[in-house]
Amino acid sequence: SAVISQKPSRDICQRGTSLTIQCQVDSQVTMMFWYRQQPGQSLTLIATANQGSEATYESGFVIDKFPISRPNLTFSTLTVSNMSPEDSSIYLCSVMSGLFDTGELFFGEGSRLTVL
Amino acid sequence: AQRVTQPEKLLSVFKGAPVELKCNYSYSGSPELFWYVQYSRQRLQLLLRHISRESIKGFTADLNKGETSFHLKKPFAQEEDSAMYYCALKGGGNKLTFGTGTQLKVEL
Repeated sequence: SAVISQKPSRDICQRGTSLTIQCQVDSQVTMMFWYRQQPGQSLTLIATANQGSEATYESGFVIDKFPISRPNLTFSTLTVSNMSPEDSSIYLCSVMSGLFDTGELFFGEGSRLTVL
Repeated sequence: AQRVTQPEKLLSVFKGAPVELKCNYSYSGSPELFWYVQYSRQRLQLLLRHISRESIKGFTADLNKGETSFHLKKPFAQEEDSAMYYCALKGGGNKLTFGTGTQLKVEL
């Protein structure tokens, strides 16, 4: 298993500003995933953060809006840039842990962002 | 493209009644299906996966490839089962696609 800590847990932001969310894992993992959960909707994968290479973004998400860093095997950040009220959402960090790809994801508690 | 559909946003049952949370998927290959659960004020966590063919907390789910379904079932609902349930599909690569979730409410 993996224990994931996310910061901040929640924040209220002004339109046009940027916010960086941090994700710390208690063990080394190859891939980290960033999801978004908008009110009343499902979890949507934003990107996969790979250590030593650029993140892989899903359709509809771009690096300029959601830059990601992955400096080592236990840490990643997601920045939400130039925020608008539509970016109000819960942002979740997740990892696959273990020696084998079981498909099980471990999640952080999420970062709830409200953009005014 | 892969897609997961959970038709019910809310399912309300009485304690002791059977529960069935519906999940249908769309994927051209051979999928791996999962159920994740989020209890109040807790983080999202894995409940069960179809490969394991196990029963967790009394819940089971059978993959029906003919009907492209992976419904979650429990014969007798308990109050502590009240939670948000997400069906998820893992197709090619490591990407998990989630359904929109079903809120299960078990009433006394």
